[in-house]
Amino acid sequence: GQSLEQPSEVTAVEGAIVQINCTYQTSGFYGLSWYQQHDGGAPTFLSYNALDGLEETGRFSSFLSRSDSYGYLLLQELQMKDSASYFCAVQPGGSYIPTFGRGTSLIVHP
Amino acid sequence: DTAVSQTPKYLVTQMGNDKSIKCEQNLGHDTMYWYKQDSKKFLKIMFSYNNKELIINETVPNRFSPKSPDKAHLNLHINSLELGDSAVYFCASSQDSSSGGALQYFGPGTRLTVL
Repeated sequence: GQSLEQPSEVTAVEGAIVQINCTYQTSGFYGLSWYQQHDGGAPTFLSYNALDGLEETGRFSSFLSRSDSYGYLLLQELQMKDSASYFCAVQPGGSYIPTFGRGTSLIVHP
Repeated sequence: DTAVSQTPKYLVTQMGNDKSIKCEQNLGHDTMYWYKQDSKKFLKIMFSYNNKELIINETVPNRFSPKSPDKAHLNLHINSLELGDSAVYFCASSQDSSSGGALQYFGPGTRLTVL
């Protein structure tokens, strides 16, 4: 099976930079993705890494190290609207179906 | 245009009843999913379905059954509802490929409350 570990909660102030880590254990590996979910809303896709390195999308970046079974989501210039839950999800080898972590609640303070 | 839609948005029902949640996607995707999100926000996949195969999470009780009349629809039928079934149920869709599977589009969710 697959397992993922991410912090349950992270707090930061507006304008700051925050990093949400995700470590995983899986048999085989296709890729690691990140989703954002606001309270009462649906998860929305943020980014995907299949290869080692950094993927940048505006204020959000995602990093993957396959050898360390580790990735992170980096959020820059934090805004109040970034307060949400962030999920990492891993696709094991041989399957396109991702397994989600338990999510990290990001609280942004003014 | 809504990419993935679900109805109803809220569902309140008594224990023992049978209910269905409908899901439709207009993205032309090959694969659709049902997820259950509990009060602790854990997103657990229940089913994955495309025109080739149904993959069932073995931990899902057989009171839950997906029904797909066509590629754009995947409904969830639940028999003999129990208190523990109370949760938010999300439908999602994706392309049927390794990288495509990572990009899932979620519906707005159905909040099910069993009394």
